[in-house]
Parts: sequence; structure tokens; C-alpha cells
Amino acid sequence: GENVEQHPSTLSVQEGDSAVIKCTYSDSASNYFPWYKQELGKGPQLIIDIRSNVGEKKDQRIAVTLNKTAKHFSLHITETQPEDSAVYFCAASILQGAQKLVFGQGTRLTINP
Amino acid sequence: DAGVIQSPRHEVTEMGQEVTLRCKPISGHDYLFWYRQTMMRGLELLIYFNNNVPIDDSGMPEDRFSAKMPNASFSTLKIQPSEPRDSAVYFCASSLGLLSYGYTFGSGTRLTVV
Repeated sequence: GENVEQHPSTLSVQEGDSAVIKCTYSDSASNYFPWYKQELGKGPQLIIDIRSNVGEKKDQRIAVTLNKTAKHFSLHITETQPEDSAVYFCAASILQGAQKLVFGQGTRLTINP
Repeated sequence: DAGVIQSPRHEVTEMGQEVTLRCKPISGHDYLFWYRQTMMRGLELLIYFNNNVPIDDSGMPEDRFSAKMPNASFSTLKIQPSEPRDSAVYFCASSLGLLSYGYTFGSGTRLTVV
């Protein structure tokens, strides 16, 4: 079936450095790509999303890029801070019977002070 | 807004018992989703509703699982009988539109079946 691959599964960076998480998807009809942040003991929280009609979107220290031709999209976090430590999930919309979001496996990001 | 409210936060039950998880979506949201999260399988969509009507239940593992949404402000996910492999964190989420805005997730119910 249609799926979303996310890499890396774990990522450790020094505070102040940048972090990049990458995802690929298989459904060429996918047109909505959100990113979620999940802190310990909480549900995932939407941090940024992008639609297929744009190639990049920024919100302060967070940016997402989309390459529809290659079917991949990435999350970029600049000037990382300890509170950025969490598990990050990418997702893509697919049509599989009905429209739905499929999530990647997650990336555990650790910011080292 | 209190967000999506799930209860209970933790549930420990014995194999074979019935388990009912509850969810109150955000008022005005027309979509409600039930997800299951495990280390092995990540976040899996079990079922979702639009205006209280089930749209896609293809993710429901088997007949032991059932979900209902009797009104716009309440949904349940029931497992009967429960098995140890059902142990997971179950999340409810709601949204305004299917893919127009992001989903708002609840804090989840951690289910342990012993």
C-alpha cells in the first residue's frame, strides 16, 4: 500500500545547530504534508504543514521543503534549543479507499546543551 | 478551548475483558479520528468519522474492535474481548475539514492488557 518513509529514526545535535528530517512518499496524488511534534506523554501536535502547490514554507525557526517530482519533503529546524527535543512525525495525504493521512515512523530528536 | 479530551488516561485490564475508550472532540470540528500508536507499527489510523458517520474503518484490526459516534461531541472505541497485543496508546483526534487544517490530538489513553 501507499506509505511514508522517514529518516533518520534518531537524531542528536548540539544546541544552536540545525536539524533536518526527511520523508519520502509513494502516492503521486498526495497533496498535503503536515509535520507533528510529540512530547513525552502527550499527543502529536501540528507544527507546520505544506501543500503541493508550494515548494517551501517557513515559520520562525522551522521550515518545510517539498519536492513533488522526487516525492520527498523535509523539516528544517534552525538554531535548535533544548525544548526542541521530541519525536517528530511527517505525514502525507493519500487516497486509499478514502482520503486519509499516513504517518512516517517518527524521528527522535535530542538537542544536547 | 479544552482541546480534545480523552478518558481514561491509563487503563489496565485483564485479557478477555471489555475495554471502552472515550473521546470528546473540539466543538465545531466535523471529523474525528481514532489512532493507535505502538513502537513496532507507529501511528495507525483505525477509523474516522465525518459528521458522526463512519467513513473509513479499514484500519480496524478485527471484529473485536468497534467504534461509535452517537453525537458530535462524543465517540467511543470498544475492544471486546481484549488481548495483550492490544496494548498500545490510543489517540483520538479531531479536525475541521479532512485535509484543510491539521488534526488536534488528545493526550491519549495508554492501554495495558495483562
